[in-house]
Amino acid sequence: QKEVEQDPGPLSVPEGAIVSLNCTYSNSAFQYFMWYRQYSRKGPELLMYTYSSGNKEDGRFTAQVDKSSKYISLFIRDSQPSDSATYLCAISGGYNKLIFGAGTRLAVHP
Amino acid sequence: KAGVTQTPRYLIKTRGQQVTLSCSPISGHRSVSWYQQTPGQGLQFLFEYFSETQRNKGNFPGRFSGRQFSNSRSEMNVSTLELGDSALYLCASATGADLSGANVLTFGAGSRLTVL
Repeated sequence: QKEVEQDPGPLSVPEGAIVSLNCTYSNSAFQYFMWYRQYSRKGPELLMYTYSSGNKEDGRFTAQVDKSSKYISLFIRDSQPSDSATYLCAISGGYNKLIFGAGTRLAVHP
Repeated sequence: KAGVTQTPRYLIKTRGQQVTLSCSPISGHRSVSWYQQTPGQGLQFLFEYFSETQRNKGNFPGRFSGRQFSNSRSEMNVSTLELGDSALYLCASATGADLSGANVLTFGAGSRLTVL
């Protein structure tokens, strides 16, 4: 079993839709959770960073962590074509080691 | 503020050769970590250096090695290249002192290696 599971998609939605991206993880000791966005031919860029359980909102993006069910989510409201990218959940394993999910490829069409 | 710089961006090698990739972290960042990204395995952690010391290592064979210099710049080396080493190699930098996992990693654009 992988430490972090993420549905690779692809996910195709119309512009303006609400997008829900999800990951599950296996180790209850994890405390730092991140979402990265990666455009084609680019490195991942940090979108959201959450410590422990709860919600965090930044503009159109909301990250949720439910430690009791080992479930992390990213919601994108009013999705735009510029949001088309691969979204990677990541969990910090300490010593700057990130454990990534497989990444979900998202396409937002006009 | 300059980001993480990786060189070269693209390179092609043949089986059996070796390759050296370079990473210049964000100014002031003392931690550099390396990741391999492939379509099949996704992003996998290779190793992390802080103040010239390797602090953590992933599950890769000994053909993969790295080092960090006193100015925090880092190199990774892959010897005796195999076809399966074709990948995007990403470097990430962080301020790095925190061991708990709280550091934010900033990634470079990567070096895309093709092994023929």
